[in-house]
Amino acid sequence: QSALTQPASVSGSPGQSITISCTGTGSDVGGYNYVSWYQQHPGKAPKLIMYDVNRRPSGVSSRFSGSKSGNTASLTISGLQDEDESDYYCCSYRSSDTWVFGGGTRLTVL
Amino acid sequence: QVQLVQSGAEVQKPGASVKISCRASGYTFPAYDLHWVRQAPGQSLEWMGWINNGNGNTKYAQRFQGRVTFTRDTSATTAYMELSSLRTEDTAMYYCARLNWNPNWFDPWGQGTLVTVPS
Repeated sequence: QSALTQPASVSGSPGQSITISCTGTGSDVGGYNYVSWYQQHPGKAPKLIMYDVNRRPSGVSSRFSGSKSGNTASLTISGLQDEDESDYYCCSYRSSDTWVFGGGTRLTVL
Repeated sequence: QVQLVQSGAEVQKPGASVKISCRASGYTFPAYDLHWVRQAPGQSLEWMGWINNGNGNTKYAQRFQGRVTFTRDTSATTAYMELSSLRTEDTAMYYCARLNWNPNWFDPWGQGTLVTVPS
């Protein structure tokens, strides 16, 4: 069961926007709108920041947005802030009641 | 509030087994599946499988089949993950997470349980 493909790292300056991609197949990302994103700070448990591709949980900043095209989902963070520096993971339902995570992306705010 | 609290860190020898607990509170325990996810040091999240806390049905990721067992005690609102035949590469943080099916998300997560299998 191969993981979803994410860039290992992205970076941006405060105020800028960045996008993290998450590429799967038609059996996971492309086949369902069950893509979620998690933010994980060092030593902490993952925190839900996006679900069902583009829906934000209550309390998550509107600077976070999600989208999907074909087999690739994306997380965009606009107006980068220092506190956004973290690891980000995508997750997708993958048929037959299984789920799969992405390899993770480290965001550095320059 | 909805909360998952996991048992403490474990150190186990290669070949041994480990059993981790995940105690749920703040919601109707049988109504939600609990999933298990692990994260080796410096690595990404890896989905391990889930248990239906209503009927006890389980689903395991292929790579853990035969080595992992999920159980639950509904009276204690606690789920358990047992991993056997431990190897050094099983050293990881193990998380439980509640699945909300539709909309689809994992939230909340337990605080994690570190399992160390020294060489």
